[in-house]
Amino acid sequence: GEDVEQSLFLSVREGDSSVINCTYTDSSSTYLYWYKQEPGAGLQLLTYIFSNMDMKQDQRLTVLLNKKDKHLSLRIADTQTGDSAIYFCAEGDYKLSFGAGTTVTVRA
Amino acid sequence: EAGVAQSPRYKIIEKRQSVAFWCNPISGHATLYWYQQILGQGPKLLIQFQNNGVVDDSQLPKDRFSAERLKGVDSTLKIQPAKLEDSAVYLCASSFTGSNQPQHFGDGTRLSIL
Repeated sequence: GEDVEQSLFLSVREGDSSVINCTYTDSSSTYLYWYKQEPGAGLQLLTYIFSNMDMKQDQRLTVLLNKKDKHLSLRIADTQTGDSAIYFCAEGDYKLSFGAGTTVTVRA
Repeated sequence: EAGVAQSPRYKIIEKRQSVAFWCNPISGHATLYWYQQILGQGPKLLIQFQNNGVVDDSQLPKDRFSAERLKGVDSTLKIQPAKLEDSAVYLCASSFTGSNQPQHFGDGTRLSIL
């Protein structure tokens, strides 16, 4: 989606934190979403944040939202090998616009 | 609760043939979506249903793609005739209502056109 941009690749050492960044264009979206896609699987909803919030924490996941800069990030603490996947950021109230996805590779 | 079910998981056909995909949404979800995900890209919406009515099909190539949700539950997406550029994963998603609700995705149907 040309409306949502993400970096394509991220390599992280097991146990470190991962930070995936996203910029979006539609400031009217009520929620912004993070999805995870493992090989051969569909998209798993990881977390989402209400547009009036700055931060949301859910166990190892922290979402930060900067509405002024239209910047969204996902931090994964203590990254594990099972976190290797493609992560998509998405915006939209019904028709979701997705970024191209960030491939996260966790190395031992 | 059971997730979004899709079948088949994989399909290989030759160009100009026809193909159909089936989706069963999460029980109670009124809104159903079909997305196309081309390799290396994020999903793009093809069509959205609210119960058995079409809300948005502006991105559906209507000369070859069709979709229906006759009883407001299951849905089928058909391509006839298929082109090489239709090779993609077709994802079905559902949400409780049509707006401001998280969408939950099935595992998709991977279509290869020879």
